[in-house]
Amino acid sequence: AQKITQTQPGMFVQEKEAVTLDCTYDTSDPSYGLFWYKQPSSGEMIFLIYQGSYDQQNATEGRYSLNFQKARKSANLVISASQLGDSAMYFCAFASNFGNEKLTFGTGTRLTIIP
Amino acid sequence: NAGVTQTPKFQVLKTGQSMTLQCAQDMNHEYMSWYRQDPGMGLRLIHYSVGAGITDQGEVPNGYNVSRSTTEDFPLRLLSAAPSQTSVYFCASSYLTSGGLSSYNEQFFGPGTRLTVL
Repeated sequence: AQKITQTQPGMFVQEKEAVTLDCTYDTSDPSYGLFWYKQPSSGEMIFLIYQGSYDQQNATEGRYSLNFQKARKSANLVISASQLGDSAMYFCAFASNFGNEKLTFGTGTRLTIIP
Repeated sequence: NAGVTQTPKFQVLKTGQSMTLQCAQDMNHEYMSWYRQDPGMGLRLIHYSVGAGITDQGEVPNGYNVSRSTTEDFPLRLLSAAPSQTSVYFCASSYLTSGGLSSYNEQFFGPGTRLTVL
């Protein structure tokens, strides 16, 4: 079974600074995908970004980018120029093979942006 | 589009009671899933469906039943509620989309149902 590890239970970051949220995974599958979701205090799950294992370039979506290091099996989320609205729980998730609807989630990191 | 809707938002049950959590989506997505979220843990997959009439078990299926008679609806049934089923339940629907060199399922989550079993 795949395993997703998020080692930072909580992080405090000054507003406007960049922040990196760590995610490592363990798999022997050659094809897989990695996702990041944001869960604000209101509780909904918001999809942020996706990286496929064969993608040569790191994924980017606005202020979000994914630092994908395949050999180290890490897929860290980078948020540039953090904003107060970025305060939330962030979950990394793994899907084996492409197009797989079954996600395995990490335990999450609670990010707090300090004004 | 309403997206993914879940009812009820909150529910309190007594041990042994049964109930059905409702989930509906109006995006014509093939895939639908149920997850539970417990404190300090990420979401865990309970059951999923790749289309009407097709369901399969996820990581934590025990104590739950599902069926998928239509594309739109994917109810989750608790046959005999137990305190260990106290959790927040999320329904999600997804479709296959292309990203880079690979396709992936972008999952859209409902707002969740907070269930307490006494």
